Amino acid sequence: AQRVTQPEKLLSVFKGAPVELKCNYSYSGSPELFWYVQYSRQRLQLLLRHISRESIKGFTADLNKGETSFHLKKPFAQEEDSAMYYCALRGHNTDKLIFGTGTRLQVFP
Amino acid sequence: DTGVSQNPRHKITKRGQNVTFRCDPISEHNRLYWYRQTLGQGPEFLTYFQNEAQLEKSRLLSDRFSAERPKGSFSTLEIQRTEQGDSAMYLCASSLAGTIDLHFGNGTRLTVT
Repeated sequence: AQRVTQPEKLLSVFKGAPVELKCNYSYSGSPELFWYVQYSRQRLQLLLRHISRESIKGFTADLNKGETSFHLKKPFAQEEDSAMYYCALRGHNTDKLIFGTGTRLQVFP
Repeated sequence: DTGVSQNPRHKITKRGQNVTFRCDPISEHNRLYWYRQTLGQGPEFLTYFQNEAQLEKSRLLSDRFSAERPKGSFSTLEIQRTEQGDSAMYLCASSLAGTIDLHFGNGTRLTVT
């Protein structure tokens, strides 16, 4: 079964600390993975996708097929990074996304 | 704002009543998705359209749920004989075919009493 697991409901850090939001997936094939973010009172939006290999707002995510993980990282967290983060997987032979349950990131000053 | 628009923002209804939600996608987007999100969960796929064709429907979508996109522009999601378990945020998203970059609306929050 295709599944996305985000084991942490809440992650709290202080400003300037490194951040790693965990995402594991189960999928038989070549996965396509994404991170979506929802800031307070805003709509859900795409943060980054693994195929782009890009850094957005200082965040990066590397696909590790051996560990079936796609963790989101940022070396120095900022208060404005506080938000809900969802990892998502593109399903097999489909254009739908399967989302994890999300992790709330709180960055304290 | 030229983003995805959903109406109404909130809907409170009594159990057993029918409700209908509307989604207006970004105008040049030919794909339109419906998701449902309950407290503490991520968005859960319901169905999606390419133009007016409904390409996929979740097994979770019971016969009480129906979605349409008659002219390939806006879409409606109808829930018949609502149940308390239908209480959730209903999200609409759109994209261009060939991309999976979903642009979400603000959602319609349904409360069934």
